[in-house]
Amino acid sequence: DVKVTQSSRYLVKRTGEKVFLECVQDMDHENMFWYRQDPGLGLRLIYFSYDVKMKEKGDIPEGYSVSREKKERFSLILESASTNQTSMYLCASRAVERLQKQFFGPGTRLTVL
Amino acid sequence: LAKTTQPISMDSYEGQEVNITCSHNNIATNDYITWYQQFPSQGPRFIIQGYKTKVTNEVASLFIPADRKSSTLSLPRVSLSDTAVYYCLVGEGSVGGATNKLIFGTGTLLAVQP
Repeated sequence: DVKVTQSSRYLVKRTGEKVFLECVQDMDHENMFWYRQDPGLGLRLIYFSYDVKMKEKGDIPEGYSVSREKKERFSLILESASTNQTSMYLCASRAVERLQKQFFGPGTRLTVL
Repeated sequence: LAKTTQPISMDSYEGQEVNITCSHNNIATNDYITWYQQFPSQGPRFIIQGYKTKVTNEVASLFIPADRKSSTLSLPRVSLSDTAVYYCLVGEGSVGGATNKLIFGTGTLLAVQP
């Protein structure tokens, strides 16, 4: 089965720090995604990548950037962390043949103080 | 992308069958219906997908009427471990471009009690 791993389960950072969240998938999937999940708001798409070096903004890209240099790895970058970026961050991947079937990682709970 | 509407929460007891209905009045011809399950502090997990009529797997059944404007996820004989949030999504299955996005709503919180 597909495995999607995220670099940290819990992370605490200070306001203004640069934060890197890394995601790796092992099934050679073309598409990868970053979401954030907040109580009462469901999952919201931050960025997605449909291939290496390709990226598209999701619904809430402000304050974030991404990098996809290799097919298996998709990084989310918070250039200058702020307290309103405290959230659960979820990475996902999928094959283009099954657009509705995404495989999610365990999530990173980020707290910005 | 078709919008979906589902109940915010449902309660059940162990051993009961649970049916969660989702409405998607604007579903398009190419759209599939997909359900995900999410346990606390975990990422969502794909559980079932269908296009029309009925689909069954080891986890659940999915019933889709002929007009496809709604769908019902059926969980047989739930246990405490089925307590989770269940999301209904609608979108293209395999054609339409690699930029197809999934839209997760707030889902249905199913609470199973002993």
